[in-house]
Amino acid sequence: AQKVTQAQTEISVVEKEDVTLDCVYETRDTTYYLFWYKQPPSGELVFLIRRNSFDEQNEISGRYSWNFQKSTSSFNFTITASQVVDSAVYFCALGAHTGRRALTFGSGTRLQVQP
Amino acid sequence: EAQVTQNPRYLITVTGKKLTVTCSQNMNHEYMSWYRQDPGLGLRQIYYSMNVEVTDKGDVPEGYKVSRKEKRNFPLILESPSPNQTSLYFCASSLRQGRSYEQYFGPGTRLTVT
Repeated sequence: AQKVTQAQTEISVVEKEDVTLDCVYETRDTTYYLFWYKQPPSGELVFLIRRNSFDEQNEISGRYSWNFQKSTSSFNFTITASQVVDSAVYFCALGAHTGRRALTFGSGTRLQVQP
Repeated sequence: EAQVTQNPRYLITVTGKKLTVTCSQNMNHEYMSWYRQDPGLGLRQIYYSMNVEVTDKGDVPEGYKVSRKEKRNFPLILESPSPNQTSLYFCASSLRQGRSYEQYFGPGTRLTVT
């Protein structure tokens, strides 16, 4: 069975602070995919990144960066110099390569960035 | 524009009154899926479809039905809604084959059953 744990239910920071959102996953598959989605107050799901299990390179996109560590089954997400517009719920998700292709989502981390 | 659309976006209904939430995609995707989102639980898969006329249960299928008569459409049917089906629903689609795993989500349908 697959499982995704986002232990941080809610984080509050002040604008311009850096913040890291933790994600730990469990799977027996050797090939899998990891995702981060952002859900702003308007409710839609905004795709941020997909990472394949065979690619452990970290990635940076502007103020966002992702640290994928297979050894610890973690896929953490860091926002540098946070902004009020980053306030949202962030979901980490795990996808199987085969089968019914369901995404297993974590319970989400609510990030509040105070001005 | 490549997109997944859902209708309605908001719906308030009463217990037992049958309803259908439509989902349509314009990307010629074989795979489509429905999720529900509840506080503290993230999103959970309800049903999925690998292709036309091929559907199967996800993690929380009780109380729901689906059909896939056309490739682009994947409606979610609640024959007799109950208050515990009050939730935010998302439809998603993707290509079935290949290493790519792009899943495109619709804008969500917020359902309240009183």
